Amino acid sequence: GDSVTQMEGPVTLSEEAFLTINCTYTATGYPSLFWYVQYPGEGLQLLLKATKADDKGSNKGFEATYRKETTSFHLEKGSVQVSDSAVYFCALTSGGSNYKLTFGKGTLLTVNP
Amino acid sequence: GAGVSQTPSNKVTEKGKYVELRCDPISGHTALYWYRQSLGQGPEFLIYFQGTGAADDSGLPNDRFFAVRPEGSVSTLKIQRTERGDSAVYLCASRSLAGDHNEQFFGPGTRLTVL
Repeated sequence: GDSVTQMEGPVTLSEEAFLTINCTYTATGYPSLFWYVQYPGEGLQLLLKATKADDKGSNKGFEATYRKETTSFHLEKGSVQVSDSAVYFCALTSGGSNYKLTFGKGTLLTVNP
Repeated sequence: GAGVSQTPSNKVTEKGKYVELRCDPISGHTALYWYRQSLGQGPEFLIYFQGTGAADDSGLPNDRFFAVRPEGSVSTLKIQRTERGDSAVYLCASRSLAGDHNEQFFGPGTRLTVL
């Protein structure tokens, strides 16, 4: 079945540091890939997505590129801020008719001033 | 516009009791999902509704779990004979079948604690 493996946390960075959170997947067919973010005390929000190979999703300075050859969708940001502190989830849908999401376990990011 | 809402935000119950969790999706969203998020884990799929019918209930862990959506809008997740292992955050999400139908919008969740 479908699965998502993402980098174990927690990750602690200083402000303005470079961020990478690794994500790899196993899926049937051609999945769509997502990063969701959960800020403290808030619900899950879609951060970015990519629906086909070589697509790059981007939002709020975050980027991730859909790499079919390595089955990866790593999240990157060039300069993190304290306000980026949150839990980040990599997820996929493998299409079909129901688009149910399969999530990784999440990575807690803490950015210190 | 209003997002997905879930009530209650917190529910504490005793082992063996029955609970109902409610989800109000975004108006006009035909697709509705329930997920369960245990501590330190990502959300796990429970059930998917297309309109009033459960199109995929493959994620329900056992027959103590049941969900309904009688009018194709509000949904209720029902758990019978609750067990301590049912303690988790239960998330609801809805999706439009028009436009960018890939995106699910999540509610804030109901934190269920079974004592």
